[in-house]
Amino acid sequence: DIQMTQSPSTLSASVGDRVTITCRASQSISSWLAWYQQKPGEVPKLLIYKASSLESGVPSRFSGSGSGTEFTLTISSLQPDDFATYYCQQYNSYSWTFGQGTKVEIK
Amino acid sequence: EVQLVESGGGLIQPGGSLRLSCAASGFAVSTNYMSWVRQAPGKGLEWVSIIYSGGNTYYADSVKGRFTISRDNSKNTLYLQMNSLRAEDTAVYYCARASSYVSGTSNWGQGTLVTVSS
Repeated sequence: DIQMTQSPSTLSASVGDRVTITCRASQSISSWLAWYQQKPGEVPKLLIYKASSLESGVPSRFSGSGSGTEFTLTISSLQPDDFATYYCQQYNSYSWTFGQGTKVEIK
Repeated sequence: EVQLVESGGGLIQPGGSLRLSCAASGFAVSTNYMSWVRQAPGKGLEWVSIIYSGGNTYYADSVKGRFTISRDNSKNTLYLQMNSLRAEDTAVYYCARASSYVSGTSNWGQGTLVTVSS
């Protein structure tokens, strides 16, 4: 199975900060990567698919980039509603594995 | 409106079996990529299984040989048959939908809790 590793595991930031989360795949997954946001007690929400395509209705401060084995999720200006846990997920292989998550906390 | 409603969770003893259901509305399960994803208490998301629109099925190594994903197109319902349950299978199980291979998993149910304990 392809392993997905996110960094950092926890990130402390302030409103207005530019935030970057990295996701690395154990082998090339082309651009078959999605990013999700999950808040406590809520279901995951799709933010980005195919590495850089913004899901409909998601604010433009979210962006994704990368291909192959290294990917990033960037929040250009962190808003109060963005404090949550973020997960990457690869869907290149027949096993659609998630990263372990990155918790974005208030600094 | 797309809706996914899971049912069938509960308390089960180790070694037991349980079948989860996910009733879909607003779209046809037969033409979508339907997954089960689980989340143990306080932990991250773990992909469990998927059935492609063409019918192919795939599983995480952790459940291969014990879990079976299926769908009933006439009832527009997705299932997860779980056998030989272990304590580490304890989690909220989510049903999720991707409208195409490209699109990512855009719709999620609210989840059903499975607790494996004696």
